[in-house]
Amino acid sequence: DTAVSQTPKYLVTQMGNDKSIKCEQNLGHDTMYWYKQDSKKFLKIMFSYNNKELIINETVPNRFSPKSPDKAHLNLHINSLELGDSAVYFCASSQEGGHEQYFGPGTRLTVT
Amino acid sequence: AQSVSQHNHHVILSEAASLELGCNYSYGGTVNLFWYVQYPGQHLQLLLKYFSGDPLVKGIKGFEAEFIKSKFSFNLRKPSVQWSDTAEYFCAVNARGSSASKIIFGSGTRLSIRP
Repeated sequence: DTAVSQTPKYLVTQMGNDKSIKCEQNLGHDTMYWYKQDSKKFLKIMFSYNNKELIINETVPNRFSPKSPDKAHLNLHINSLELGDSAVYFCASSQEGGHEQYFGPGTRLTVT
Repeated sequence: AQSVSQHNHHVILSEAASLELGCNYSYGGTVNLFWYVQYPGQHLQLLLKYFSGDPLVKGIKGFEAEFIKSKFSFNLRKPSVQWSDTAEYFCAVNARGSSASKIIFGSGTRLSIRP
């Protein structure tokens, strides 16, 4: 059984487009996260939701908008994509903030 | 603000060599500590964690880490590495009791094992 799943796994798109990445967890966790991993493997948190409520919003351009329809889902919508948005985006979940996180397989976004 | 430092960016070892990866954090209060591993092309997986109790923590695949509070360190060790340990290793810290509880990751250490 997949604990944390993301779709799509690969996403290639042109500058200026709008795209979404979906994330679902079946672990019953209350907290979900989005991370961006750049080409140097640096992992930076972007957002965190607890029970559908936004609790962490790091310095991220407002072109990025997370949406949590329920506590098992946290989607990421990106408007007006730029070259610098190319990265691997990981979704994660945890029982509550500060506990170990379970990561999804990642979505490799390439903006051309 | 809390931060995590991993001083070794790339470590290259031969099989059967012993491993120690450094991790230091900056935060004066109580912390939860983690080591994650990312195998090539895969997602991050938890290797081990420390919340409280015995500062020597054993994880999966023969890894262990020691929390030394006085040194703000949580170094990862393995007595004898294998080629399959080739991966990126991330240390992570959570400041317990912080208002927006989040885990801060270090910049990662790439481990390459020569067969």
